[in-house]
Amino acid sequence: GAVVSQHPSRVICKSGTSVKIECRSLDFQATTMFWYRQFPKKSLMLMATSNEGSKATYEQGVEKDKFLINHASLTLSTLTVTSAHPEDSSFYICSAGDPDGYTFGSGTRLTVV
Amino acid sequence: QKEVEQDPGPLSVPEGAIVSLNCTYSNSAFQYFMWYRQYSRKGPELLMYTYSSGNKEDGRFTAQVDKSSKYISLFIRDSQPSDSATYLCAMKAGSTLGRLYFGRGTQLTVWP
Repeated sequence: GAVVSQHPSRVICKSGTSVKIECRSLDFQATTMFWYRQFPKKSLMLMATSNEGSKATYEQGVEKDKFLINHASLTLSTLTVTSAHPEDSSFYICSAGDPDGYTFGSGTRLTVV
Repeated sequence: QKEVEQDPGPLSVPEGAIVSLNCTYSNSAFQYFMWYRQYSRKGPELLMYTYSSGNKEDGRFTAQVDKSSKYISLFIRDSQPSDSATYLCAMKAGSTLGRLYFGRGTQLTVWP
């Protein structure tokens, strides 16, 4: 089946720094990728939808200047959390649209200290 | 009203029990329904994918969709401790790769 690789799985950064999370589709081309944020014991909150070669579409309330999404190729999308603060600490998950539906990455646990 | 409602549990059952997980939804445009399993600190893993109303079976898992009641279910037969996870229902309207709408997830524990 389709595989989506997400890195890093865990990152700790200092407040004010930026963190980049990568999401790769390994055996298929993903024209559309989704980025989610998940709080403990909560569901997935869609942050943005990215289409290869175009600007991402952000959900209401998501700061596009803080969460920069780049989908430069059919196999790679990146989420950069800029000037991270402790409130940005969360579990971030990407998902790619594949021929059979949607495949999720394994998630990135971000802790901002 | 949220678009997708799911009781978060937690649900705790003994090994071998039949588990029933449910979601209700309000948007009658939803036609594609999915169940995902999520282990702690991992991404969701697709279990079942159904279109419109009806039943679909895959091994110990059965997914049911009742569009008239806007109600979907996932049944797990002969539950195992390895089934302990959070189960998320998800749904979408069209056939294209549009956004999914998720339930909150139900936390399931199967004890030996």
